[in-house]
Amino acid sequence: RKEVEQDPGPFNVPEGATVAFNCTYSNSASQSFFWYRQDCRKEPKLLMSVYSSGNEDGRFTAQLNRASQYISLLIRDSKLSDSATYLCVVNMRQAGTALIFGKGTTLSVSS
Amino acid sequence: DTGVSQDPRHKITKRGQNVTFRCDPISEHNRLYWYRQTLGQGPEFLTYFQNEAQLEKSRLLSDRFSAERPKGSFSTLEIQRTEQGDSAMYLCASSPPTSAGIGTQYFGPGTRLLVL
Repeated sequence: RKEVEQDPGPFNVPEGATVAFNCTYSNSASQSFFWYRQDCRKEPKLLMSVYSSGNEDGRFTAQLNRASQYISLLIRDSKLSDSATYLCVVNMRQAGTALIFGKGTTLSVSS
Repeated sequence: DTGVSQDPRHKITKRGQNVTFRCDPISEHNRLYWYRQTLGQGPEFLTYFQNEAQLEKSRLLSDRFSAERPKGSFSTLEIQRTEQGDSAMYLCASSPPTSAGIGTQYFGPGTRLLVL
């Protein structure tokens, strides 16, 4: 079983749609959780950290369920500029060591 | 630009040749990481430095791979006797000391390697 698994995608949605990405992780010792965004042929960039209480940043909402080892990302009112690959990421310690990435889910928003 | 920089951005080499990549992290970051990403996959961890000490190495880092960070600033990743399977994007990332960060890593633009 892969350490981080994501919805296979791709997701093709119209502008204004709400889209949700799901992710599960296998190691219960994972301590930090993130969503990264990666544009085509570019480096990954941090979109947001994910906290147990859930957190929101504008149109983006992230949720973490430690008991189920499940992470989600909700994007509301999708924009064309949201088209990218979204990577679910976990870290075993609060800082340092490896980030463990899922394969990513590709989102394409069309007008 | 004060982000992570990598050089070269692209490298084409013939099988069997050696290649070396360089990474310059964000100046105040003491932690440096190397990852490899192939098409359709997320980045995979290769190795980690805290200052000049190499503290972790992945099983992916075969004997043909070596990484250094001699003065705790820039780092190099060398691949000896390249194979076609080494073709990938090699990403470098850095992060600040624990007290100043929350474990997030800042990635450079990557070096895209093609082995013919």
